[in-house]
Amino acid sequence: EVQLVESGGGLVQPGGSLRLSCAASGFTFSTYWMTWVRQAPGKGLEWVATIKQDGSDKYYVDSVEGRFTVSRDNAKNSLYLQMSSLRAEDTAVYFCGRGGNSPAYWGQGTLVTVSS
Amino acid sequence: EIVMTQSPATLSVSPGERATLSCRASQSVNSNLAWYQQHPGQAPRLLIYGASTGATGIPTRFSGSGSGTEFTLTISSLQSEDFAVYYCQQYNNWPRTFGQGTKVEIK
Repeated sequence: EVQLVESGGGLVQPGGSLRLSCAASGFTFSTYWMTWVRQAPGKGLEWVATIKQDGSDKYYVDSVEGRFTVSRDNAKNSLYLQMSSLRAEDTAVYFCGRGGNSPAYWGQGTLVTVSS
Repeated sequence: EIVMTQSPATLSVSPGERATLSCRASQSVNSNLAWYQQHPGQAPRLLIYGASTGATGIPTRFSGSGSGTEFTLTISSLQSEDFAVYYCQQYNNWPRTFGQGTKVEIK
């Protein structure tokens, strides 16, 4: 059974940093693109970042470019999102998904709150 | 960035009736279009990819059509579990982009 479990969310002050993790199981992690999507409270879905199987290609939405870094450790079956210079508008539930086009598997999300 | 526009924002439908949701892209995305369903507090659920191919395990009452810039999701006979928010998403270009969502509510 495919499972994706996010962790690392929490309360952080504006300008701070946070690293999210996504633990994958039930499939061969190293053969899939992986994606982060977020959802601000009461708002719609926003694509954040995607990383290729070997980490050689990465894509970001403009609003996080230069502040967020997506990475992966295929030996640990884990996906990461390093977030820095956080802003109030980054407050959201962050979901990881399997795939780079139309992910069919998603975690349950981890909440990031940016507030002083 | 490709802008995806969904209409209507809210659709009020009675159980058993047909629902038709629209999605328009600001430029052609070919058939690289997916539809998702989301219930409150849950992760999105993939319904349709490739504009018209049903994802694994999705009931046949969900169907998608269109190509280029105009797309439609049809739910042939609404069941109670279908009342949710629906999103279209293009994967023709980077960054991937979602529409703002259509809420299907009980009439």
